[in-house]
Amino acid sequence: AQSVTQPDIHITVSEGASLELRCNYSYGATPYLFWYVQSPGQGLQLLLKYFSGDTLVQGIKGFEAEFKRSQSSFNLRKPSVHWSDAAEYFCAVGPGGATNKLIFGTGTLLAVQP
Amino acid sequence: DVKVTQSSRYLVKRTGEKVFLECVQDMDHENMFWYRQDPGLGLRLIYFSYDVKMKEKGDIPEGYSVSREKKERFSLILESASTNQTSMYLCASSSRGRAIYGYTFGSGTRLTVV
Repeated sequence: AQSVTQPDIHITVSEGASLELRCNYSYGATPYLFWYVQSPGQGLQLLLKYFSGDTLVQGIKGFEAEFKRSQSSFNLRKPSVHWSDAAEYFCAVGPGGATNKLIFGTGTLLAVQP
Repeated sequence: DVKVTQSSRYLVKRTGEKVFLECVQDMDHENMFWYRQDPGLGLRLIYFSYDVKMKEKGDIPEGYSVSREKKERFSLILESASTNQTSMYLCASSSRGRAIYGYTFGSGTRLTVV
């Protein structure tokens, strides 16, 4: 069965430090992969997506993610975290198809220390 | 940009009331989804619709129903609200033919049932 695992429920980093949020998926073929961010009290905003091609994808707000087929991973990275990056981050995998249902991970809550 | 608008940001309802949550999208998307979000549980799919008057149950449909009379509008109905339905409700939409674009989310409705 398709699934998405975000092993880290909560992460705290210092402002200016680098960040990596982990995402592992289980899927039979090459999936569509997404990272979303949710600021407190808001809906989810798309950060970046991968479908094919270059396995390192760039997104908004200085984020990037790397698709590693051999590890079934799609980890999110940022070289230098800003206080405004404090939010919850969700990884999702898409089976595509007509209804385009996504499967979401349970999220990683990022706290940023000054 | 696609906009998904949820009619209320915050709602407080009494136990036993019939509650309507409205969602409207403006980009002619075929697919629409209702999720609830609870701490530690991530996003759980309640219902989705892939066309007008079409609906399918998601993972947690009990206690909910939906209506899609027009393509742009997808309503979630709590037939008799209960305190365990206190949650954040998120609506999303997507294009049938453009899976790579993922979902666009509304800002959410925080429902409290007292």
